[in-house]
Amino acid sequence: NAGVTQTPKFRVLKTGQSMTLLCAQDMNHEYMYWYRQDPGMGLRLIHYSVGEGTTAKGEVPDGYNVSRLKKQNFLLGLESAAPSQTSVYFCASSYVVGTEAFFGQGTRLTVV
Amino acid sequence: QQQVKQSPQSLIVQKGGISIINCAYENTAFDYFPWYQQFPGKGPALLIAIRPDVSEKKEGRFTISFNKSAKQFSLHIMDSQPGDSATYFCAASGSFGNEKLTFGTGTRLTIIP
Repeated sequence: NAGVTQTPKFRVLKTGQSMTLLCAQDMNHEYMYWYRQDPGMGLRLIHYSVGEGTTAKGEVPDGYNVSRLKKQNFLLGLESAAPSQTSVYFCASSYVVGTEAFFGQGTRLTVV
Repeated sequence: QQQVKQSPQSLIVQKGGISIINCAYENTAFDYFPWYQQFPGKGPALLIAIRPDVSEKKEGRFTISFNKSAKQFSLHIMDSQPGDSATYFCAASGSFGNEKLTFGTGTRLTIIP
């Protein structure tokens, strides 16, 4: 049982480049989330989804886009990477709101 | 605007002592309050959670105390062990438009011998 899988695990981008982070879950969860973790700032919600085909903005959505075309996948896109987007990104999923959220292992992204 | 405020930012406790981490929230629509534990290089994992219909929940050495009127909740770790050294996050979520799982800023806990 893989749980929540994030790819890639590490990435270095140049300013202005684009990339997509993939999150896949095999638990048939409805809710999926993308967070970024920065020192002293905790986990800040970027975007989330309450079901296939739906997305919503979190606390820090600017510079990111997301898509949930399939229930098991939640994609996070950076169209034009900036050094301020250097962070560790975590994906999480939960069956419904108010239940345990399971996290992936994280993606460490550096923008130079 | 931070909806969940957590303190302290870091905490050092002697082995066998009690570790206490506090959180306060603003949104009265929140009805689920979990605590997550994170080890270096890993994703957070659920430790214990509480709903506002009870004032306390205990699982082994870990206890959540919840004060609905003050909009505060805290994590107590009894008989703290070196293996408890980690970063702890409180969080909160609700329903009907408040589904976002919102986290506090985290507490780095270090248990010393």
